[in-house]
Amino acid sequence: TQLLEQSPQFLSIQEGENLTVYCNSSSVFSSLQWYRQEPGEGPVLLVTVVTGGEVKKLKRLTFQFGDARKDSSLHITAAQPGDTGLYLCAGVRGSYIPTFGRGTSLIVHP
Amino acid sequence: DTAVSQTPKYLVTQMGNDKSIKCEQNLGHDTMYWYKQDSKKFLKIMFSYNNKELIINETVPNRFSPKSPDKAHLNLHINSLELGDSAVYFCASSQYIGDGNEQFFGPGTRLTVL
Repeated sequence: TQLLEQSPQFLSIQEGENLTVYCNSSSVFSSLQWYRQEPGEGPVLLVTVVTGGEVKKLKRLTFQFGDARKDSSLHITAAQPGDTGLYLCAGVRGSYIPTFGRGTSLIVHP
Repeated sequence: DTAVSQTPKYLVTQMGNDKSIKCEQNLGHDTMYWYKQDSKKFLKIMFSYNNKELIINETVPNRFSPKSPDKAHLNLHINSLELGDSAVYFCASSQYIGDGNEQFFGPGTRLTVL
């Protein structure tokens, strides 16, 4: 059973569109991280959220941690081709080792 | 200056061979990790070392043996390679092991077993 479910699995959109990626679990996490991975490279941390209901913004990216700390969303406004990549959420529980979701593969067409 | 480096970048080998992947970090971090990313992009923790000591060993066949000669290095040796071992292997490091700690990933080693 996958601890963290990400949806959608694939997303192909045009430049300028908005999108939301979801990360859901039945487990409570003490913190949740979002990473972006580009082809041929390792994941790079975008944000860490730790408080239920927390909202963080990174330019056109908005991250939200659910009130119960079981889910999170990533919203991108006016997507650019440079946003293309694999978006991974990772939840941390007691062991402090992140458990990764299966990722959302995003392609933004010019 | 590369923060987390891995060698080789690509590794193609025959079934049954033994191979090693090397990882080095120059960030002064205490904790290092090995992850396996399969063809469906699922990233799964294999091992974690903190100050050269093994602290996490997920359900990984004992053909996989990590070795940490010092805090800056964590190598992965794989014996008797199998077709199912084909994947991208990522090394990562973090300042310490703790909640919300950022992990810095290497560029990955793409292992293909023929």
